Order: sequence, then C-alpha cells, then structure tokens
Amino acid sequence: TQLLEQSPQFLSIQEGENLTVYCNSSSVFSSLQWYRQEPGEGPVLLVTVVTGGEVKKLKRLTFQFGDARKDSSLHITAAQPGDTGLYLCAGRGANNLFFGTGTRLTVIP
Amino acid sequence: NAGVTQTPKFQVLKTGQSMTLQCAQDMNHNSMYWYRQDPGMGLRLIYYSASEGTTDKGEVPNGYNVSRLNKREFSLRLESAAPSQTSVYFCASIYPGRSRPEAFFGQGTRLTVV
Repeated sequence: TQLLEQSPQFLSIQEGENLTVYCNSSSVFSSLQWYRQEPGEGPVLLVTVVTGGEVKKLKRLTFQFGDARKDSSLHITAAQPGDTGLYLCAGRGANNLFFGTGTRLTVIP
Repeated sequence: NAGVTQTPKFQVLKTGQSMTLQCAQDMNHNSMYWYRQDPGMGLRLIYYSASEGTTDKGEVPNGYNVSRLNKREFSLRLESAAPSQTSVYFCASIYPGRSRPEAFFGQGTRLTVV
C-alpha cells in the first residue's frame, strides 16, 4: 500500500491568514493530485502536478510537487471562509488513486 | 450534465440485511471505482472496474461484491451488513489521462448499520 500522510489533520484559522498543508509519502508517484471536499459532497479535483519541483497556482492556492515526487504541499494565501473544506491529496498507482487521510480546514470569518 | 449519480443518498440497515448501492456515469469512462470514507482514514478503495466486464479487489473488499452491469453502471452489494460497514460510500468514474488522471465522484451514500 502506498501510504499518503497529510498534515495537519485539522486546521482552524482566521480569515485573511496564510496556511500550508502537506502530503508526504515514502513512495514515488508519477503524479499527485489535490481534491477539495465539502460537506455532503464528493471530492472535486483542484490540480494535478506531474513534474518534480513543479509549482502550480490556482488564484490564491499554490501547489508544489517535491523534487523527488514523494511529497506535495498546498499553500493558501489570505484564506477565506469559502476555502473551508477537507483537502485530500491523491497519488496515482498502477490501478488506483491512493488518497491521503485529509486536512480538514476551517476558516473563521 | 449529471456526471456520476449515486443512489440512495442515505440508508439505515439492520445487521444482517442486504442492500445494493447503485452508481451510474454518463462520461463514457472505462474505469469506475467504489471507495469508503471513514473519519481519520481517508478514502479507501473497495473494488474497481478497469473496463466493462472486469472487476478487481481493492484495499478493503471483504463483505462486499460488485457488478459492472455495463459501461455506465457499477453497483456495490452488501450481502450481510455489519456495523463495521457503517461509512460514507463514494462511487468514482476515472478519466485515465496518460499522466493526469481525474476522478469524478458521486455525492456519496451515507450508510448506517445498526
């Protein structure tokens, strides 16, 4: 099993603050993805990173893939209440997408 | 533009009862997956179907069976429900993409076994 560990597990911050969440594995992945899941809904894809060292920006969200393709981070600038949700990373296996345990983010207005 | 549709959305079963969770996708994807989501455990793969007519076990298949009825539909059956199967179940349709796979999820089925 290719384990993906996410940290922190829970994060509660004030609106306007910056934050970073992490996704780490002992395995190398050909790609890593980040999903956001809102209550009562299924996860929705935010981004896919493929190349070691790759940085992708999606408005206030910045995603980075580690040079060794074993880890990734998600940085949110000036968090807003709409960013509240469960953030999941996922790595592609042979016949599967392996999901991390998630970071539950709450942004307090 | 339905994407992935799961039914039912909520279900309560008594221990030992059986039920089938239905999933259908309209994106013409070959691959479909069933995950369960438990607090602190993330999404764990139960079964998957890489193409019509094939199914394979995932990480936690015990207590479940699946049927890939056609390209659109992939059902999950609990033959004799147990409290340990209380969970939220998600069906996903996977666009393989050579290096950028994307999973499209249904809204989930919240199952409670009492």
